[in-house]
Amino acid sequence: GAVVSQHPSRVICKSGTSVKIECRSLDFQATTMFWYRQFPKQSLMLMATSNEGSKATYEQGVEKDKFLINHASLTLSTLTVTSAHPEDSSFYICSAPGQGRGNTIYFGEGSWLTVV
Amino acid sequence: GENVEQHPSTLSVQEGDSAVIKCTYSDSASNYFPWYKQELGKRPQLIIDIRSNVGEKKDQRIAVTLNKTAKHFSLHITETQPEDSAVYFCAAEDSSYKLIFGSGTRLLVRP
Repeated sequence: GAVVSQHPSRVICKSGTSVKIECRSLDFQATTMFWYRQFPKQSLMLMATSNEGSKATYEQGVEKDKFLINHASLTLSTLTVTSAHPEDSSFYICSAPGQGRGNTIYFGEGSWLTVV
Repeated sequence: GENVEQHPSTLSVQEGDSAVIKCTYSDSASNYFPWYKQELGKRPQLIIDIRSNVGEKKDQRIAVTLNKTAKHFSLHITETQPEDSAVYFCAAEDSSYKLIFGSGTRLLVRP
């Protein structure tokens, strides 16, 4: 079946540095991918919609200059957390819809980011 | 945009009893409503879903009901087992193809 792979699964970075998280659809094309953030014991909060070949659409309150999203191909979206701070430490997870609205959503494995 | 509310936030039941989790949504254009089970630090696992042209769907011990008029949907787990203990999230796919999640329910099944 369809698979979405996310890398890295865990990353520790120093304050002020940037870290990139990749989300790949392994056996299907994903013109749209979604990025979520989940703090401990909280829900998945949608950060942005990644659109292949065009700019990402950010949810209200999400800083687009801090969370850079690039969707350069039909199988890869990247999220770069720039100038990371400890409060950015969280679980980040991507998803991609199978074929469109109302079809199965495939999630990546998620990435734990710890900023020290 | 879509807003999904989920209740209760925590639910404790005796093994063998039923558990019910309820969600409401705001966007009448939403027509896909999945339920997920999530373990800490893992990706959400789809356990059941329902589309707006269906009122109820059942899969063994799990069932979901949808009332489009009232904009609410519910997860029902019967004959609960300790391994059902987890965090459960409802979600609604809005008119922009995004999945909006409820706040989650921590279910504890006591042996």
